[in-house]
Amino acid sequence: GAVVSQHPSRVICKSGTSVKIECRSLDFQATTMFWYRQFPKQSLMLMATSNEGSKATYEQGVEKDKFLINHASLTLSTLTVTSAHPEDSSFYICSARDSARETQYFGPGTRLLVL
Amino acid sequence: SQQGEEDPQALSIQEGENATMNCSYKTSINNLQWYRQNSGRGLVHLILIRSNEREKHSGRLRVTLDTSKKSSSLLITASRAADTASYFCAIGNQGGKLIFGQGTELSVKP
Repeated sequence: GAVVSQHPSRVICKSGTSVKIECRSLDFQATTMFWYRQFPKQSLMLMATSNEGSKATYEQGVEKDKFLINHASLTLSTLTVTSAHPEDSSFYICSARDSARETQYFGPGTRLLVL
Repeated sequence: SQQGEEDPQALSIQEGENATMNCSYKTSINNLQWYRQNSGRGLVHLILIRSNEREKHSGRLRVTLDTSKKSSSLLITASRAADTASYFCAIGNQGGKLIFGQGTELSVKP
């Protein structure tokens, strides 16, 4: 099946720093990628839809200046958590939509811990 | 809210038994998908069922969709200890956006 990678898999940072997470579709082109966050024992919450070559669409309640999304190519989207705080600690998961199919393929997730 | 609601929240069964998880939603859908997540890992796509389909099979998995009741069920037959995971339904719209349910935590005891 299609493969989506995320990097890094886990990151620990100090409060106030910015963290960039990469999401890559390895064997297909993805005009649309999605970013989710997941707290322990909870479901995935959609944060934003990342469209190649255009601005991301954010879900209600998600601060676009806090979570910067860039989708510069058909195989790469990045999420930057700016000035991270402990409450931003979470599991961040991306997915990429294969334009030829209806299925989304999910990355393995990035665990962020802000101290 | 368009979010799917799943029940039960947790399910514990013995190996060999069947496991049934249910998902209800409130709005119209393009498709409904089921995913599996092992603890701390990414999601694995299990089955996609379109709004004009009523039932779909994949190995030991059977998914039904009742659009009149706005509900879907996932049946895992002859469960194995390796099926232990969280299972999520996700409502898909035409833009490809997925809205996830709260999930069912399945525990299969050997």
